[in-house]
Amino acid sequence: GQNIDQPTEMTATEGAIVQINCTYQTSGFNGLFWYQQHAGEAPTFLSYNVLDGLEEKGRFSSFLSRSKGYSYLLLKELQMKDSASYLCAVRDNYGQNFVFGPGTRLSVLP
Amino acid sequence: EAQVTQNPRYLITVTGKKLTVTCSQNMNHEYMSWYRQDPGLGLRQIYYSMNVEVTDKGDVPEGYKVSRKEKRNFPLILESPSPNQTSLYFCASSPRLAGGAKNIQYFGAGTRLSVL
Repeated sequence: GQNIDQPTEMTATEGAIVQINCTYQTSGFNGLFWYQQHAGEAPTFLSYNVLDGLEEKGRFSSFLSRSKGYSYLLLKELQMKDSASYLCAVRDNYGQNFVFGPGTRLSVLP
Repeated sequence: EAQVTQNPRYLITVTGKKLTVTCSQNMNHEYMSWYRQDPGLGLRQIYYSMNVEVTDKGDVPEGYKVSRKEKRNFPLILESPSPNQTSLYFCASSPRLAGGAKNIQYFGAGTRLSVL
């Protein structure tokens, strides 16, 4: 079966650092994606990991451990505009099927 | 401008009345997909297409049909809508890349469907 878990909600303060975790159990693995989705809008791509380790991209970083079925998204220097849902998604072995987690709604407070 | 266009954005209909939600992309992408998004359940894949005339079921295909007669278009058809199909629907497309290369999906703006 396919299962992806994320915390439902998180709250952090402007300027702080927040880590959003994602654990997955899937029948195959060919990459893990993080998307950002503001309320009422389409998801937009943030980061991609296929090998173990950290990928950094400006204020956003994403980490992957395939042996543990674990990833996290790290957001630094939080801004009010970072208030959104963050979706973790895994692509299967054949690159055809994507499984999304339920998403984590992040609220950034002043 | 590169984009995925869905129509309509909002739709209210009644049980049993056939409807089609259109999706078109102008990026020459091979892969296209339909998702529904419900509170607490996240995005769930309905159908996807690897190329023209090639479609496959995702995780929740029951009650839906799709077709891929042209590369740019991937309509979602509800032959006999029911209230449990009330949801937010997203179409997405991506270039088909081999092996472990990135396969970023670009999403349309969404279609909010209510079936009464």
